[in-house]
Amino acid sequence: EPEVTQTPSHQVTQMGQEVILRCVPISNHLYFYWYRQILGQKVEFLVSFYNNEISEKSEIFDDQFSVERPDGSNFTLKIRSTKLEDSAMYFCASTSGEGAGTGELFFGEGSRLTVL
Amino acid sequence: DAKTTQPTSMDCAEGRAANLPCNHSTISGNEYVYWYRQIHSQGPQYIIHGLKNNETNEMASLIITEDRKSSTLILPHATLRDTAVYYCIASGGTSYGKLTFGQGTILTVHP
Repeated sequence: EPEVTQTPSHQVTQMGQEVILRCVPISNHLYFYWYRQILGQKVEFLVSFYNNEISEKSEIFDDQFSVERPDGSNFTLKIRSTKLEDSAMYFCASTSGEGAGTGELFFGEGSRLTVL
Repeated sequence: DAKTTQPTSMDCAEGRAANLPCNHSTISGNEYVYWYRQIHSQGPQYIIHGLKNNETNEMASLIITEDRKSSTLILPHATLRDTAVYYCIASGGTSYGKLTFGQGTILTVHP
C-alpha cells in the first residue's frame, strides 16, 4: 500500500538553527499538508499546498516557516531560527483531492523535532 | 469547521463492538464528518467519512443521525490494536484538507 514517508524520524537542533523536514507524498496525490503536534497537545494544521503554491496557512505558519516542492516527489518544510517552542512532531500528509469529501488525508509517521 | 464534542475516554472489551459518539450540532450542509485515529504518537490514520448516509468500510461503520447533529463510529469487533485516540472532525467547503483536530476520545480496549 502506498504511503507518505518522512525524514528524518528525529532531529535534534540548537536554538537558532535552521531545519528542513522532508516528505515524499503518495505519487499521484496533488494536495500536500504539514501538521504539527506539540507533546500532549492537539494535532494542528500548519499549511496546505497545491499546484506549487500555498493554498492556506494557519496563524502558526509565519515567516519563520516555508514550504517547497523542489522536484516531482519531495515536499519540504523549512523552519528558520528554531525556537524551543518549535519542538514538536511534524506530520506531512497528502491527498488526491478526488471524490466527494476531500478530507481523506494520508499522514506520514512524523518527524520529531527537538530544539535545545 | 464545525465544533465537535466527544467523550474524553471510553473502554471496550476485546471482541466487542466499540461505539464512539460525536456531537456536531452546528455542522453546515456542505461539511462532512470524518473519523481519524492516532495510535500512540504515530501519524493520524483516516478511518471513514460521510455526509448524510451511513457508511461502512473494512475498518468501521459510521452512523449519522438524520438531522446530522451527531454521529457514531462503530468498530464492530474491537481488538487490542484498536486502542488509540479517535478524532471526529467536521470539515468541508473550501477548507480543502484543513482538518481541525480536537482532543478526541481515548479508546482503551481491554483483554
